Amino acid sequence: DQQVKQNSPSLSVQEGRISILNCDYTNSMFDYFLWYKKYPAEGPTFLISISSIKDKNEDGRFTVFLNKSAKHLSLHIVPSQPGDSAVYFCAASAMTNFNKFYFGSGTKLNVKP
Amino acid sequence: DAGVIQSPRHEVTEMGQEVTLRCKPISGHDYLFWYRQTMMRGLELLIYFNNNVPIDDSGMPEDRFSAKMPNASFSTLKIQPSEPRDSAVYFCASSFLVGGNQPQHFGDGTRLSIL
Repeated sequence: DQQVKQNSPSLSVQEGRISILNCDYTNSMFDYFLWYKKYPAEGPTFLISISSIKDKNEDGRFTVFLNKSAKHLSLHIVPSQPGDSAVYFCAASAMTNFNKFYFGSGTKLNVKP
Repeated sequence: DAGVIQSPRHEVTEMGQEVTLRCKPISGHDYLFWYRQTMMRGLELLIYFNNNVPIDDSGMPEDRFSAKMPNASFSTLKIQPSEPRDSAVYFCASSFLVGGNQPQHFGDGTRLSIL
């Protein structure tokens, strides 16, 4: 019973266009969310985070949106670049155990030149 | 500055053998995490330590798995005896707590294959 789900295993986008990666969660106690990016043969690297007191957080080309009522978050990458091609994981934790992160299964993004 | 260091990067061994995975966290980090990544279940937290003390081991699959952190700069994850279903990529991560949530920094993982 995965508490964090990424239902799209893969996504293909043209360079310069927007990439939208989605993530759903089931636990209403989750109040901190992160996105990680992972290249082959490397560990995940932190990309961007958002706490439940916000509904949007932006960092350069990356924006994370949080819809608490729908228990849904998304990562927007604009404009997409070939170097963004990687697997993206979303993760969530709850204040009651803030070090315990639950990860989705990942979405593989391919940005075509 | 060095990140989280894991060894070995790859391990291939036969079923029934003991496997030991090693991790050196980032200096100054007081939390250490062990994760397992599989195609079916994605990234799962196995166990985490705070100041070398195990805090939550509820993700450890069974008694064949054990983890230790004898000091602030070293941790091991041991599987004995190993089984083919243990084949996965195992990641170690570390973080520090300063004023709230902090992202975890991951090593490059150990790809484990049990034949």
